Amino acid sequence: DAKTTQPPSMDCAEGRAANLPCNHSTISGNEYVYWYRQIHSQGPQYIIHGLKNNETNEMASLIITEDRKSSTLILPHATLRDTAVYYCIVRVYGSSNTGKLIFGQGTTLQVKP
Amino acid sequence: GAGVSQSPSNKVTEKGKDVELRCDPISGHTALYWYRQSLGQGLEFLIYFQGNSAPDKSGLPSDRFSAERTGGSVSTLTIQRTQQEDSAVYLCASSPRDSGHSGNTIYFGEGSWLTVV
Repeated sequence: DAKTTQPPSMDCAEGRAANLPCNHSTISGNEYVYWYRQIHSQGPQYIIHGLKNNETNEMASLIITEDRKSSTLILPHATLRDTAVYYCIVRVYGSSNTGKLIFGQGTTLQVKP
Repeated sequence: GAGVSQSPSNKVTEKGKDVELRCDPISGHTALYWYRQSLGQGLEFLIYFQGNSAPDKSGLPSDRFSAERTGGSVSTLTIQRTQQEDSAVYLCASSPRDSGHSGNTIYFGEGSWLTVV
């Protein structure tokens, strides 16, 4: 089962920041938080990932709370092309150290003009 | 190529037939994953390969599903005696070698759309 909880849908005005929340209260100390998005029926696109510290790249920023039980993905200036399903994922490691991604249902972000 | 390559991109097959789906990971990536996504659903983990280690097959839904990876590179997912519920997009992903709880990026291909009629 996915270790994350996300709202099923969100709207955002074009040009404004989109803040997508994620709860992962059972995360272990050495498990990373990953964000992917999926546009229409394309393969998932990597956005960003982090462990403890906040991270920023050319696509987005990832803010992780100090207790690591939740995080927020920030798209600073959303465009219509950012309309997609966004997945917050805790990378799970089992007895064999498999670093598989377990996807939940994600958040459908609708960017509106 | 620069990304994960999958073939065929689309496959229509008759119920009961066997199908093979191919994945070429990014060059140098030792970890390879297969996922399945049914229409309107989330991604379901199927199987994971890491170098010469035994694969994690914990996500395979039945013994009709199998996968192999030859030479540590190309992988083939085989579905025997296909059923209509097998209709889905099958996604392959790869990443550099996992070393413990590393934060490597996993890159996905565009998938193989399978329709069983």
